[in-house]
Amino acid sequence: DAGVTQSPTHLIKTRGQQVTLRCSPISGHKSVSWYQQVLGQGPQFIFQYYEKEERGRGNFPDRFSARQFPNYSSELNVNALLLGDSALYLCASSLKLAGFTDTQYFGPGTRLTVL
Amino acid sequence: AQSVSQHNHHVILSEAASLELGCNYSYGGTVNLFWYVQYPGQHLQLLLKYFSGDPLVKGIKGFEAEFIKSKFSFNLRKPSVQWSDTAEYFCAVNYGGSQGNLIFGKGTKLSVKP
Repeated sequence: DAGVTQSPTHLIKTRGQQVTLRCSPISGHKSVSWYQQVLGQGPQFIFQYYEKEERGRGNFPDRFSARQFPNYSSELNVNALLLGDSALYLCASSLKLAGFTDTQYFGPGTRLTVL
Repeated sequence: AQSVSQHNHHVILSEAASLELGCNYSYGGTVNLFWYVQYPGQHLQLLLKYFSGDPLVKGIKGFEAEFIKSKFSFNLRKPSVQWSDTAEYFCAVNYGGSQGNLIFGKGTKLSVKP
């Protein structure tokens, strides 16, 4: 079975631009979470979606938004890019709402560079 | 605030040495605990997890971790490391509730010398 897939692998944008990152969860998984991993740090939680509804949001500005589609894939959008948005963006999926007794499985990430 | 601390930023060991990586989390009631590993050029992979039951958890590749509730700790151990264990290791905690997000430590980079 395929794991979590993300596209694109790498992306270079300039300040002020907008970007859309995509994620396909493991087949049968209904929950998708997004994390930002800055160099030298652990991943930080951005959003969680379950059954197409937002179920959690981390401490990120409104420039960050996401959605989940009927096939459970997800998009993360970032508007008005800043240099500080340069990071590895990780998508994770789980069978259900990732709470107790569930495990999140991570994709390879999208490396975003903002110039 | 909920937080996870990993005490060592970079650990360098020779092959066959024993490994222990520290992880402490802030108090938050019942928790689920995870160790993830990121090998060079690869994505985050689950090493082991603790939900309940026996506090000594065995994972893949000979790793184990012990949950000590009184110390809010979940340290990772391996009796004898190999060069192939060179990677970055992340401790993560889920505090439950309505959100299922993970809170990660900053990671420990392990370098094993052949």
